[in-house]
Amino acid sequence: AQRVTQPEKLLSVFKGAPVELKCNYSYSGSPELFWYVQYSRQRLQLLLRHISRESIKGFTADLNKGETSFHLKKPFAQEEDSAMYYCASLDSSYKLIFGSGTRLLVRP
Amino acid sequence: GAVVSQHPSRVICKSGTSVKIECRSLDFQATTMFWYRQFPKQSLMLMATSNEGSKATYEQGVEKDKFLINHASLTLSTLTVTSAHPEDSSFYICSATSGGAYEQFFGPGTRLTVL
Repeated sequence: AQRVTQPEKLLSVFKGAPVELKCNYSYSGSPELFWYVQYSRQRLQLLLRHISRESIKGFTADLNKGETSFHLKKPFAQEEDSAMYYCASLDSSYKLIFGSGTRLLVRP
Repeated sequence: GAVVSQHPSRVICKSGTSVKIECRSLDFQATTMFWYRQFPKQSLMLMATSNEGSKATYEQGVEKDKFLINHASLTLSTLTVTSAHPEDSSFYICSATSGGAYEQFFGPGTRLTVL
């Protein structure tokens, strides 16, 4: 079965510092990977997906098949980035498999 | 963007009663809806996948007779927790997709507390 692993429950950084939220996946085929974000008291929303190779709110994520990773990065964290971040993989049945989530706390 | 609503946002019920949670796609037709459960400080766990007009597909370990799912229209799916017990207390979240699209649009969630 597919698995998505986010090893950090909490990541605390100061404003302006670089951020890397780790995500590793287990899937033998070509994975479809996503990052979802949940701001305080808001619903879960899509942040970005690996297929589009886009940058959203300054965040990027590169698929590394060799390391089976899809880490989320941002060079300069902002306070408004504080949220819960979930890495997810789409399985062959188009179901999302979520990681356990990482809470990002950006301190002023 | 596509909007998914859930009602109620919060419900408290007595043990043994049944609770119905609605999930609606407001501005698109949702051919597939998903129901998740989220425990405090934990990730979302998929409970079932619901396709309009057909029976829901439940994940392993989810009791289909306890968590009744109906997806009678392209804009509405309901989850009924039957004979609720305190251990059913949780945050229930639905999501919806349209056609063959991969992106799931999430509802705001419903917090169920069973006394």
